[in-house]
Amino acid sequence: SQQGEEDPQALSIQEGENATMNCSYKTSINNLQWYRQNSGRGLVHLILIRSNEREKHSGRLRVTLDTSKKSSSLLITASRAADTASYFCATGLMDTGRRALTFGSGTRLQVQP
Amino acid sequence: GAGVSQTPSNKVTEKGKYVELRCDPISGHTALYWYRQSLGQGPEFLIYFQGTGAADDSGLPNDRFFAVRPEGSVSTLKIQRTERGDSAVYLCASSLVGLAGGPIEQFFGPGTRLTVL
Repeated sequence: SQQGEEDPQALSIQEGENATMNCSYKTSINNLQWYRQNSGRGLVHLILIRSNEREKHSGRLRVTLDTSKKSSSLLITASRAADTASYFCATGLMDTGRRALTFGSGTRLQVQP
Repeated sequence: GAGVSQTPSNKVTEKGKYVELRCDPISGHTALYWYRQSLGQGPEFLIYFQGTGAADDSGLPNDRFFAVRPEGSVSTLKIQRTERGDSAVYLCASSLVGLAGGPIEQFFGPGTRLTVL
């Protein structure tokens, strides 16, 4: 079963605009990660935020985490056509003996050139 | 260095047949994971290996699914008596083990697209 839900399910923007994707999850977590997937194949890790962190930046990416609301957001600034992909949040549980990630259903981002 | 590789990239089989999917993790990664992804969904966890042993197989849907990692490197996911509902992309990932059990990113392979006719 999916742990999280991404919102929106699909997003279409123009190159240069910012894209914001949201993720909600259900259980207490140890960390939350965002991944990108092109063409329905392998996922690429983007950023990891720990449960005791509130915000993290990496290049054009900004991630926030609100554990009280069990939600996270991913902001991509100054989007490019190459950012077109599906984006997934994935949570790692408090029980570190269980290292599996639980993924949401993803946001499909289309950046129009 | 080389990333995670998976073979075959595509597999078409008939209902009731047996299939094996192979994963070659990144050298030195002791942790290996199998996920299954259906169309329009996120990956769903199947099984996790730490070294040669399956540390968590709670995601395997039933006893038709089995995975091995005999030498702590390459892993094979085996599906017996395949059903049409098994059609999906099977993803393998590997990682180092985080310090003190802390979170760690996973590196994914390109996946094997399994189609059961």
